[in-house]
Amino acid sequence: QLQLQESGPGLVKPSETLSLTCTVSGGSITSSTYYWGWIRQPPGQGLEWIGCIYYGDTTYYNPSLKSRVTISVDTSKNQFSLRLTSVTAADTAVYYCALRPLFGNYVDVWGKGTTVTVSS
Amino acid sequence: EIVLTQSPATLSLSPGERATLSCRASQSLYNSLAWHQQKPGQAPRLLIYDASKRATGIPARFSGSGSGTDYTLTISSLEPEDFAVYYCQQRSNWLITFGQGTRLEIK
Repeated sequence: QLQLQESGPGLVKPSETLSLTCTVSGGSITSSTYYWGWIRQPPGQGLEWIGCIYYGDTTYYNPSLKSRVTISVDTSKNQFSLRLTSVTAADTAVYYCALRPLFGNYVDVWGKGTTVTVSS
Repeated sequence: EIVLTQSPATLSLSPGERATLSCRASQSLYNSLAWHQQKPGQAPRLLIYDASKRATGIPARFSGSGSGTDYTLTISSLEPEDFAVYYCQQRSNWLITFGQGTRLEIK
């Protein structure tokens, strides 16, 4: 069964770049049957979809974040990554990596999540 | 962007009671709606997809129904571990959106 695990710095300074990695186990990141994505949840708030990547190079981003987001894949490490530039306190959140089946309209598997705080 | 509105915001019930949670969409979803459960300090987990299909390992007391713009998650007899926050979720035009959540608390 596919499992996802997020990793990365827990503290990022304002105006800097947030970088997180999701390690995939139990399956291959090169699989054409999944979209690999990121979702975040600010403290005490709901869930916001950030974006996803398919088959290594086709990306889809939330229009509200599109100008600051990049999602990429590292097939050699079976990982995918999130970069969010020019962060502010509003980007403080728990960040989840997740996957959606190619022919499904639902988030199927979630990582455990990692907390990122934006503060000087 | 399709907006999902969940009601009520908070539902207070006792173990053994029946819970009914609602999710209304701003446009028809053609049954492409999912429900996720989130317990404190944990990641969400998928309960229901395609409006009425239970995900792997989800107990039969959880059921989903609805069509068009109106959907319902029903928990037939609440167990202590069911008290959590529930989110509905949809996808359209590559954008995934979630409802604001319903908190199910012990009365």
